[in-house]
Amino acid sequence: EVQLVESGGDLVQPGGSLRLSCAASGFTFSKSWMTWVRQAPGKGLEWVANIKEDGNEKYHLDSVKGRFTISRDNAKNSLFLQMNSLRAEDTAVYYCTRGVYYLDYWGQGTLVTVSS
Amino acid sequence: DIMMTQSPDSLAVSLGERATINCKSSRNILDSSNNKNYLAWYQQKPGQPPKLLIYWASTRESGVSDRFSGSGSGTDFTLTISSLQAEDVAVYYCHQYYNTPRTFGQGTKVEIQ
Repeated sequence: EVQLVESGGDLVQPGGSLRLSCAASGFTFSKSWMTWVRQAPGKGLEWVANIKEDGNEKYHLDSVKGRFTISRDNAKNSLFLQMNSLRAEDTAVYYCTRGVYYLDYWGQGTLVTVSS
Repeated sequence: DIMMTQSPDSLAVSLGERATINCKSSRNILDSSNNKNYLAWYQQKPGQPPKLLIYWASTRESGVSDRFSGSGSGTDFTLTISSLQAEDVAVYYCHQYYNTPRTFGQGTKVEIQ
């Protein structure tokens, strides 16, 4: 059974940093593109970033470029999102998902709240 | 960026009746080299993550009820629920993966009339 379990969400002040993690199991992680998608409270879905199987290609949403960095550790079946210089508008549930095209598996999400 | 616009924003349908959701992309998302439309549909119930229903515009994900079907090509797409059931109450999103950044429609809320 495929499982994606996010962690690391928290309440943080504007300008602060957080590192989200996603533990993957039930599939060959090292052969899968992975994607972060976020959802602000009561709002729709927004693609944030994705990363190739070997970590050598990464793409980020323009509004997070230079602040967020997606990465992975295939030896530990883990996906990460380093989030710096956080803003109020980054407040959202962050989902770890599998896929480069359609996203066939989603975690339950982790809540990031940016507020003073 | 490719903008995805869904209509309507909300929809109330009687049990057993058909529900139709439209999704329009601001640019063509059909790749003529492989004749694939780079579009997916997701269902999100309250308090849950989204669930993949349809990909490549019309391919139903394994385990998804055949009440759900996708159609369309190029810039105009449709998700149809053939006979609405109580468990279909949710928000539905279309999603283009033709280019980066990937983008989603704003969502359509489906309720029971």
